[in-house]
Amino acid sequence: DADVTQTPRNRITKTGKRIMLECSQTKGHDRMYWYRQDPGLGLRLIYYSFDVKDINKGEISDGYSVSRQAQAKFSLSLESAIPNQTALYFCATSDPLAESQETQYFGPGTRLLVL
Amino acid sequence: GENVEQHPSTLSVQEGDSAVIKCTYSDSASNYFPWYKQELGKRPQLIIDIRSNVGEKKDQRIAVTLNKTAKHFSLHITETQPEDSAVYFCAASKGTYKYIFGTGTRLKVLA
Repeated sequence: DADVTQTPRNRITKTGKRIMLECSQTKGHDRMYWYRQDPGLGLRLIYYSFDVKDINKGEISDGYSVSRQAQAKFSLSLESAIPNQTALYFCATSDPLAESQETQYFGPGTRLLVL
Repeated sequence: GENVEQHPSTLSVQEGDSAVIKCTYSDSASNYFPWYKQELGKRPQLIIDIRSNVGEKKDQRIAVTLNKTAKHFSLHITETQPEDSAVYFCAASKGTYKYIFGTGTRLKVLA
């Protein structure tokens, strides 16, 4: 779905570095989410946001922070990256006013490697 | 805590055969159950979903069944084709915002 974009698509960084992953959407959806995907573990929710002023922790928020700069932008930060944060990160959106308000639409993912 | 178990983790079928993937959820308040398909290197995409007030839903070769009493739901793919090869994820949600995903099933359709 080209309406949800993520940058960068791939990133290699070193332990201890600060890194930001960005998500933008043109779908006009209020709700945005960050997930990480690890082999054999499926997708796990890191943070979610209902609107610019509403941010909530998910299952695995430790070591991460987020910023909702605008309705269309939701950034994920790793303040001090560690190797076990190596994963595939997905952003997603949903529209609470839609007929199928539960449906989440995923971005293309960011592959992060922490050395 | 909330949990969704998904089986099998890998599944190989001959082209034209059926494939069934099963998920069990722990939270009886869950009321929405989507299935996502993720092709290699691609993003997860919704293929079908079901709400708790419905027992079965079908879309061409894909169907989902829900048993609320047993707290499990299943994905059925009939007449499988090579392009069905992918990883499939189930999820459960009790609101409109928080999915608990299963661990995924890698489906291989053998030509």
